[in-house]
Amino acid sequence: AQSVAQPEDQVNVAEGNPLTVKCTYSVSGNPYLFWYVQYPNRGLQFLLKYITGDNLVKGSYGFEAEFNKSQTSFHLKKPSALVSDSALYFCAVRGGSNYQLIWGAGTKLIIKP
Amino acid sequence: GAGVSQSPSNKVTEKGKDVELRCDPISGHTALYWYRQSLGQGLEFLIYFQGNSAPDKSGLPSDRFSAERTGGSVSTLTIQRTQQEDSAVYLCASSYLTDGNTIYFGEGSWLTVV
Repeated sequence: AQSVAQPEDQVNVAEGNPLTVKCTYSVSGNPYLFWYVQYPNRGLQFLLKYITGDNLVKGSYGFEAEFNKSQTSFHLKKPSALVSDSALYFCAVRGGSNYQLIWGAGTKLIIKP
Repeated sequence: GAGVSQSPSNKVTEKGKDVELRCDPISGHTALYWYRQSLGQGLEFLIYFQGNSAPDKSGLPSDRFSAERTGGSVSTLTIQRTQQEDSAVYLCASSYLTDGNTIYFGEGSWLTVV
């Protein structure tokens, strides 16, 4: 069965420090991997995706993610966190011919000044 | 339009009433999804439309929920005889063909059943 795990409900980081939000997945076939961000009382916004090619993907707002096939992971990273990065982050995967996106439960990122 | 448009943005309704939520996808997008999200929680898949194919209704939680997509564009999600547990944000998303194409979300319709 296809699945996505975001093992941390919440991540706390001091402003200016690097941040990592973890995501691991299980799919059949080649995965299509996505990260979305949700600010309070807003819809989800697309951050970045991995389809094929370079394992390091760069996206909006200075975020990047690295696809690691052997570890079946797609962790979201940013070198220097901003207070404005505080939000809910969702990882999603689509595998093989399945059109469905499988969503992680979300990770609340809190950046403290 | 430039993005996925949903209406109403907020709806307060009395228990037992019917509600209709509307989604206008990005022009040209053939795929349309409805999700439900309880406060600060994850996404619950409800229904998926792709072109002229039969929709995937596997996520609809009960027969009080239904959705249609007219002319391959605008979609309406209808909840009949609303219950308090239906209170949530209903998110619509659309994309071009599936696989690696990104899905784009609207701002959601916040439903409160009192």
